[in-house]
Amino acid sequence: DTGVSQNPRHKITKRGQNVTFRCDPISEHNRLYWYRQTLGQGPEFLTYFQNEAQLEKSRLLSDRFSAERPKGSFSTLEIQRTEQGDSAMYLCASSSTTYRGYEQYFGPGTRLTVT
Amino acid sequence: ILNVEQSPQSLHVQEGDSTNFTCSFPSSNFYALHWYRWETAKSPEALFVMTLNGDEKKKGRISATLNTKEGYSYLYIKGSQPEDSATYLCAFISGGGSNYKLTFGKGTLLTVNP
Repeated sequence: DTGVSQNPRHKITKRGQNVTFRCDPISEHNRLYWYRQTLGQGPEFLTYFQNEAQLEKSRLLSDRFSAERPKGSFSTLEIQRTEQGDSAMYLCASSSTTYRGYEQYFGPGTRLTVT
Repeated sequence: ILNVEQSPQSLHVQEGDSTNFTCSFPSSNFYALHWYRWETAKSPEALFVMTLNGDEKKKGRISATLNTKEGYSYLYIKGSQPEDSATYLCAFISGGGSNYKLTFGKGTLLTVNP
């Protein structure tokens, strides 16, 4: 399978715990995006990387959130001291700046439930 | 703040019915509009990317039109089948930069009853 993959698919955690999600983009894609979808809303942009550089962060991304893409391949999104409001579907997408850079391909998402 | 609206929020149709959804978006600073189909437990799947005013795209029984001057796009499904049941999302890209980040509507949840 050469699509975007995300792990884990589901995560249940207790309030106050830290969680980390991983995204593996399509191998030749140099851009990687994180979005979050809460109940009743469409996905909302969180941040994006071009290669290993994090180029933009949404104001939705509080100080408890950190994202990395250390070698310009996979990315991780960590949430520290989780809160119930962090419960959401976290989506990752990738694209290529060398061809139709506006087309993003999505992974299946990680559903986070904070109890 | 960019506002992308979709209607209806949800729709129940019978197998064989044709249906359509609407996406409205800012008419200024347009770059591209995407339609995605998102089935439960799967990845959102790109249906169409449209960039030019008056674009019409078709994929099997599904088609879409784009009016960038008035800021709307329609998605049509002809002869709905149960496998068309999904959430249909539209997403707008503004021309303000090269980040190509997507601004999504809330989606239209389609249920096709056999």
